[in-house]
Amino acid sequence: DQQVKQNSPSLSVQEGRISILNCDYTNSMFDYFLWYKKYPAEGPTFLISISSIKDKNEDGRFTVFLNKSAKHLSLHIVPSQPGDSAVYFCAASTPLGETSGSRLTFGEGTQLTVNP
Amino acid sequence: DVKVTQSSRYLVKRTGEKVFLECVQDMDHENMFWYRQDPGLGLRLIYFSYDVKMKEKGDIPEGYSVSREKKERFSLILESASTNQTSMYLCASTEGAYEQYFGPGTRLTVT
Repeated sequence: DQQVKQNSPSLSVQEGRISILNCDYTNSMFDYFLWYKKYPAEGPTFLISISSIKDKNEDGRFTVFLNKSAKHLSLHIVPSQPGDSAVYFCAASTPLGETSGSRLTFGEGTQLTVNP
Repeated sequence: DVKVTQSSRYLVKRTGEKVFLECVQDMDHENMFWYRQDPGLGLRLIYFSYDVKMKEKGDIPEGYSVSREKKERFSLILESASTNQTSMYLCASTEGAYEQYFGPGTRLTVT
């Protein structure tokens, strides 16, 4: 079953406007959430993250909001720029147990297109 | 800067061939991961390793195996390639923090 879902395969916005990308999850054990950005023919790159004990994290034009009761998070990009056009993946983290690491579960991705 | 490299950017193999995909990281990270990315399915975890010679199955391990003989190198092996293994393969590493660092990916086509 898909524990992390991004229900919008694509989103198109005008340059300068706000982009809002959404993500829903089902597993209450997720302790950290991340957003990755991916350009074609490149690996994903980390964008921003949020701990499950917070409800907002901001980094420049990017803000992530977490609503734990609704099991929902969103990424806001404002103002949007043409260079933001990429696939955005939401990811949720669970500890690996006895090791110090964690594993990520990814959503399906949303293709964002920012039109000049 | 963390660097994760993958041995090939593009690979074309025939059905039934044994395929090796290599991944090397230069940051002495403990944990390494192999994913495949398919349209509409996102990134799915195939295998991961949290130490040398240690490996764990991810969500879709069938048809794959892995090898980690040295800390910096994590190999994905397709024992007998099939057309449904045509995909983008991504390697990642992390030191236990949540953020994973990804390589550029290998686009594998099995004909």
